[in-house]
Amino acid sequence: NAGVTQTPKFRILKIGQSMTLQCTQDMNHNYMYWYRQDPGMGLKLIYYSVGAGITDKGEVPNGYNVSRSTTEDFPLRLELAAPSQTSVYFCASRLLGRHGTDTQYFGPGTRLTVL
Amino acid sequence: LAKTTQPVSMDSYEGQEVNITCSHNNIATNDYITWYQQFPSQGPRFIIQGYKTKVTNEVASLFIPADRKSSTLSLPRVSLSDTAVYYCLVGLDNNNDMRFGAGTRLTVKP
Repeated sequence: NAGVTQTPKFRILKIGQSMTLQCTQDMNHNYMYWYRQDPGMGLKLIYYSVGAGITDKGEVPNGYNVSRSTTEDFPLRLELAAPSQTSVYFCASRLLGRHGTDTQYFGPGTRLTVL
Repeated sequence: LAKTTQPVSMDSYEGQEVNITCSHNNIATNDYITWYQQFPSQGPRFIIQGYKTKVTNEVASLFIPADRKSSTLSLPRVSLSDTAVYYCLVGLDNNNDMRFGAGTRLTVKP
């Protein structure tokens, strides 16, 4: 299993440009998440999905959009990039195990700079 | 998701045992307690999870008192490579909105 993969690893955008951050997991997990992490700070939840066709907002959804057409893929879209969106973006999938156990698996992250 | 409170930072020296406590006063009956570790420039990774009393794995131990309003992550004999941010999460059952707190930044010194 490759686990959770994210592309690209790095990207520089100009203000107003758009881009899609890709996230794919091969563990057949229903739950997937997008977080952003600013330097020296904790993770902030942007959007999450509990299954194909279902998405919901997290703490900081403004300026972002998501879709979940398949179990495997959960892309994050930035429509009009702003300097405030400069951050590291992490995608995660979540396994609900037996006896109530619960584990998130994170991708390696995408480092985005908006100039 | 139960709100959690952790120390912002901790320092330790190589070979010492480190205990990081997390307070979660409004933990629900079905909630599990989960700890994650994050190294710089990497995504968090699962360390340990428990419901009550004590859980131990190859990486850490997790101590949970009877009232479950707090938990303590114990790292035995830390090394420089244990320098990381440690996050405590509580409240996973029937909760899809997974939010992390600020975590505890552990610095291990030689």
